[in-house]
Amino acid sequence: KAGVTQTPRYLIKTRGQQVTLSCSPISGHRSVSWYQQTPGQGLQFLFEYFSETQRNKGNFPGRFSGRQFSNSRSEMNVSTLELGDSALYLCASSLVGTGGNEQYFGPGTRLTVT
Amino acid sequence: QKEVEQNSGPLSVPEGAIASLNCTYSDRGSQSFFWYRQYSGKSPELIMFIYSNGDKEDGRFTAQLNKASQYVSLLIRDSQPSDSATYLCAVRRNNNDMRFGAGTRLTVKP
Repeated sequence: KAGVTQTPRYLIKTRGQQVTLSCSPISGHRSVSWYQQTPGQGLQFLFEYFSETQRNKGNFPGRFSGRQFSNSRSEMNVSTLELGDSALYLCASSLVGTGGNEQYFGPGTRLTVT
Repeated sequence: QKEVEQNSGPLSVPEGAIASLNCTYSDRGSQSFFWYRQYSGKSPELIMFIYSNGDKEDGRFTAQLNKASQYVSLLIRDSQPSDSATYLCAVRRNNNDMRFGAGTRLTVKP
């Protein structure tokens, strides 16, 4: 079974631009979560989508948004990029309702804002 | 108080020794607990999860959970240099979202 995939893997943007990141979950997984990872702040929760609905949201400004499609694929958008948005963005999928609802991570998208 | 706390390390153990990694959490209603391993430049990889008090063993890894003390640990027996990585503790809270600790960096010396 294929793992979680994320595109693109690397991205360079300038301040003020916007960016869209994509995540395809493991087949059959209906929950997708997004995280931002930086050396200073660690892994921080952005939001979780389940069946096309945002189920949980972390403490990030409204510039960070996401959505999930009927095939469970998810996109994350960041508008008006700031230098501090440079980070590794990870998505994780889970099969809700079994075991501990454990999450499996994709390889991440490395975003650099200049 | 941070939601999930871990000693940042680095924790250094000799090859073949037992590595003990600890984690405490603040949300008493938390349901499930996870340990991830992250190699430098890579994404986190799930090692184990536990949701009942007590021990859970998987190969060289043992997760221990004490909900009364809000404490979860990971023991790695017969540590190998390939175990050198950052270990992340994660907690699924009562509202179903996940929170991660900052991670403990483990170095296993040959």
